[in-house]
Amino acid sequence: EAGVTQFPSHSVIEKGQTVTLRCDPISGHDNLYWYRRVMGKEIKFLLHFVKESKQDESGMPNNRFLAERTGGTYSTLKVQPAELEDSGVYFCASSLQSSYNSPLHFGNGTRLTVT
Amino acid sequence: QQQVKQSPQSLIVQKGGISIINCAYENTAFDYFPWYQQFPGKGPALLIAIRPDVSEKKEGRFTISFNKSAKQFSLHIMDSQPGDSATYFCAASEDKSTFGDGTTLTVKP
Repeated sequence: EAGVTQFPSHSVIEKGQTVTLRCDPISGHDNLYWYRRVMGKEIKFLLHFVKESKQDESGMPNNRFLAERTGGTYSTLKVQPAELEDSGVYFCASSLQSSYNSPLHFGNGTRLTVT
Repeated sequence: QQQVKQSPQSLIVQKGGISIINCAYENTAFDYFPWYQQFPGKGPALLIAIRPDVSEKKEGRFTISFNKSAKQFSLHIMDSQPGDSATYFCAASEDKSTFGDGTTLTVKP
């Protein structure tokens, strides 16, 4: 079984540019999550999809961040325009069930550096 | 306010020793407490998890101790090995998982 795949693994962009991160969840996992870890701090929740619907987007920092999951398969997270404080590692995770105790399967993350 | 506080930030243990990582939470609605292990360049992976109706769960060399009244839980790694060197995250879940800051464990041979 293929795991959660994220592209790209690294991205370096200048302030004001746009970046799009992609996540391919485990096949059959309807639940997809985006998390972010900044500067060695906690892994912070951004949002949760159930299939193509946004179940919870309470962690999205501001309207510069846009997440989509068209067709309920892969997801993209776009940052436009990027700011310095957006730097960090963005993780995608998927799970089979949406219940709170369904294990999260993480991708290897995208390390975003905004200069 | 951070809902899950994890300590220490880093830990160095000799091979064969016991590694202990502690977490504390505030929200009494949390009712699932997983620990994740992350190796460099990889994503976190579920290591072991506990529910608050039990005080301890053991899987091999890894044990979670849970104190519901104190709102604290800890990970114990017995007979620590160099291959255990990684970053460990505790988490607490209600409708979504809330993570601690992580602990970087180094096991010296």
